[in-house]
Amino acid sequence: QQQVKQSPQSLIVQKGGISIINCAYENTAFDYFPWYQQFPGKGPALLIAIRPDVSEKKEGRFTISFNKSAKQFSLHIMDSQPGDSATYFCAASTASGAGSYQLTFGKGTKLSVIP
Amino acid sequence: SAVISQKPSRDICQRGTSLTIQCQVDSQVTMMFWYRQQPGQSLTLIATANQGSEATYESGFVIDKFPISRPNLTFSTLTVSNMSPEDSSIYLCSVARQGVFYEQYFGPGTRLTVT
Repeated sequence: QQQVKQSPQSLIVQKGGISIINCAYENTAFDYFPWYQQFPGKGPALLIAIRPDVSEKKEGRFTISFNKSAKQFSLHIMDSQPGDSATYFCAASTASGAGSYQLTFGKGTKLSVIP
Repeated sequence: SAVISQKPSRDICQRGTSLTIQCQVDSQVTMMFWYRQQPGQSLTLIATANQGSEATYESGFVIDKFPISRPNLTFSTLTVSNMSPEDSSIYLCSVARQGVFYEQYFGPGTRLTVT
């Protein structure tokens, strides 16, 4: 599986601030980029996803920015809340070839939002 | 989305024994995936289980160690065979809905400890 690099490994943000998590990928065949949110003891939950035909997608306080030429995408959490404290994983997949629709995950970012 | 349940939610097993993990979905799905997640780590794909075909295993995972069944479109099992302490991990199933193959939804996971 091709690698997806995620940074930072951990992030501390004040309540009301903006949390930004970055990911970079290598495989240009990737054409679907989801973000997952995982709370301790729970399975990952699909948060938001983007396809390469758009540069940005927003759902509530969560926004994905996508830069196809740089092969990078990022998650922005606006007005971060203590309830957003969780581990966030970026991922990527492709519809073509061997391993189609299989998710390749980044290593995760542990976000802590402090009051 | 899809509602996914896993049984058992956790177990403590002795070295050399086997454990079968069940994954049940509330609707018919084409693709099911099994992942392993070691505490504090990212997710690693074990295999893809599509109904009516043999499971496809990723590098480092073999059928003798992780046999998988997929008898219908709503159910799958993963067996962890001849367990060792290195198999202690969280095992997660995920599903991709028919017609929306990109979107994957995860079960709550099975936390396995091997002593």
